[in-house]
Amino acid sequence: SAVISQKPSRDICQRGTSLTIQCQVDSQVTMMFWYRQQPGQSLTLIATANQGSEATYESGFVIDKFPISRPNLTFSTLTVSNMSPEDSSIYLCITSGGKYNEQFFGPGTRLTVL
Amino acid sequence: TQLLEQSPQFLSIQEGENLTVYCNSSSVFSSLQWYRQEPGEGPVLLVTVVTGGEVKKLKRLTFQFGDARKDSSLHITAAQPGDTGLYLCAGDDLGLGTYKYIFGTGTRLKVLA
Repeated sequence: SAVISQKPSRDICQRGTSLTIQCQVDSQVTMMFWYRQQPGQSLTLIATANQGSEATYESGFVIDKFPISRPNLTFSTLTVSNMSPEDSSIYLCITSGGKYNEQFFGPGTRLTVL
Repeated sequence: TQLLEQSPQFLSIQEGENLTVYCNSSSVFSSLQWYRQEPGEGPVLLVTVVTGGEVKKLKRLTFQFGDARKDSSLHITAAQPGDTGLYLCAGDDLGLGTYKYIFGTGTRLKVLA
């Protein structure tokens, strides 16, 4: 399985600002995803980060709010733009692989918006 | 869109008790995963089941995939405080090989010493 790191691990931000979260994988992976986990909730897929092209967003998520970059097969960023308290969540970078395409998680970024 | 419902949503039990968590859907999944998440951490993969009727054991945890591959269960025998956490099931989205997983609603387990 790939080892995934995320930066920052946590942050407290002011309303209206933006935060970029970085995800680094220790090996090349085909699939990378960004999920959000709001307090007390399960995980919701934001988008699939595509290497060299625009990310594929799920219903309810848009590029202007959550721009994503993936310049190569080991790195991706997610920006949370113009933040509001409703954006307070854990943001998780995930890769998939293995025989049955299991998903492996980064440690997450815990974001609090005041 | 495929949905995964987990039950119960919350469970608080005494150490040594047994419990079962259910993950149900009206849709068929080619594989299903179970995760445990502890506070402040990302989910950790426990098991993947791929064959209808499959049973997998991981120490005191027993996982079963339904015959029709629409549901799964997790049974914990003699629960311990270390089993406390959020348990999530996740099934692959069969939408044209998108490699995406749909996560269940979660079961929050607390085991009291």
